[in-house]
Amino acid sequence: DSGVTQTPKHLITATGQRVTLRCSPRSGDLSVYWYQQSLDQGLQFLIQYYNGEERAKGNILERFSAQQFPDLHSELNLSSLELGDSALYFCASSVDDTGPGYTFGSGTRLTVV
Amino acid sequence: EDQVTQSPEALRLQEGESSSLNCSYTVSGLRGLFWYRQDPGKGPEFLFTLYSAGEEKEKERLKATLTKKESFLHITAPKPEDSATYLCAVQASGNTGKLIFGQGTTLQVKP
Repeated sequence: DSGVTQTPKHLITATGQRVTLRCSPRSGDLSVYWYQQSLDQGLQFLIQYYNGEERAKGNILERFSAQQFPDLHSELNLSSLELGDSALYFCASSVDDTGPGYTFGSGTRLTVV
Repeated sequence: EDQVTQSPEALRLQEGESSSLNCSYTVSGLRGLFWYRQDPGKGPEFLFTLYSAGEEKEKERLKATLTKKESFLHITAPKPEDSATYLCAVQASGNTGKLIFGQGTTLQVKP
């Protein structure tokens, strides 16, 4: 157990729907990162939050949004889902806002049908 | 544009047969280079961080080295349990923890 908890582990939903992925960071970590892993794109950075504030943004689609709450857990919201959004979504956490070597969770596998 | 390229994409070794994985990178100011191991269906597991050219780090049968343009992950006398995908990532200078990952090398070690 890495200490980073992601729920749910698996999610199957239909196109056009909206889902929420949840992440609890490792105890003491203030930064949360979201990554998407698909077969053709590899691990792609989506967004970083540090102590409740957005710190960095990658190629995150406008249909996707995230936030970090006062208790430091984070949620990634995916809406108007398309087949191409099917992927593994990983959350990672680190002590400060620059990493390094942060800890990943075990991921949420999203399947859009 | 910051970029990471790993080679080969896949590598099959016999148990005990040493080899190296390559990670070439271009980045606007390297803050750190990272190696992760990923098992199927699991999150990446941190292995090493390298910060400057000439630096080396070791862990069991793995040794990571860094030059100004590339990094190598040397695997000495691998065992079947070393089979996994090895990911290389770079962090550019700046005030974020964003990592740019390569596509990975999938290693299979046969007994």
